[in-house]
Amino acid sequence: AQSVTQLGSHVSVSEGALVLLRCNYSSSVPPYLFWYVQYPNQGLQLLLKYTSAATLVKGINGFEAEFKKSETSFHLTKPSAHMSDAAEYFCAVTRPNDYKLSFGAGTTVTVRA
Amino acid sequence: KAGVTQTPRYLIKTRGQQVTLSCSPISGHRSVSWYQQTPGQGLQFLFEYFSETQRNKGNFPGRFSGRQFSNSRSEMNVSTLELGDSALYLCASSGTSGGYNEQFFGPGTRLTVL
Repeated sequence: AQSVTQLGSHVSVSEGALVLLRCNYSSSVPPYLFWYVQYPNQGLQLLLKYTSAATLVKGINGFEAEFKKSETSFHLTKPSAHMSDAAEYFCAVTRPNDYKLSFGAGTTVTVRA
Repeated sequence: KAGVTQTPRYLIKTRGQQVTLSCSPISGHRSVSWYQQTPGQGLQFLFEYFSETQRNKGNFPGRFSGRQFSNSRSEMNVSTLELGDSALYLCASSGTSGGYNEQFFGPGTRLTVL
């Protein structure tokens, strides 16, 4: 079975500061990992995905994440936060041919002016 | 390309009633998945369909059921509604038959059970 743990349910950053959201996974087989963002009253939008190619993955809106097998981590970063980054972020895991995503509990990001 | 559409967007029901939610995937996508999102339990997988066949099912009671039609549109049904069924129900579609391909999510249906 696969699972993910997101450390920190709320993160507050200043505009222009580094955004770091932590995700650790558990999987019995090489996983596929994802970060999604959800704005209020909307569905989920994919930020980036790791599917066993490059371990440093670049996504949309300036986000990137690094897959570290030794640490079973897939942390999401953005060098400089923007007010529009305020949202809820979800880390998710699946495995080939599993046909479902297992999500973390989510991290809400607030950006201070 | 039009995105995933879900109808209705909002729904209010009373305990004991049943409800049907609809999802139209992106044109050409044959896989449709359903998720329930609540503040307490987070995002939980309900089931996934591909070419009218259920390939995976989450850990939900039998009151939750789904189906997929030949045009890939999907419906989920919840019978004998309980207060705890109040949630945002998200549908996602995907384009491939195996491996993994990106899941595109719809805006969700907000179900309130009174």
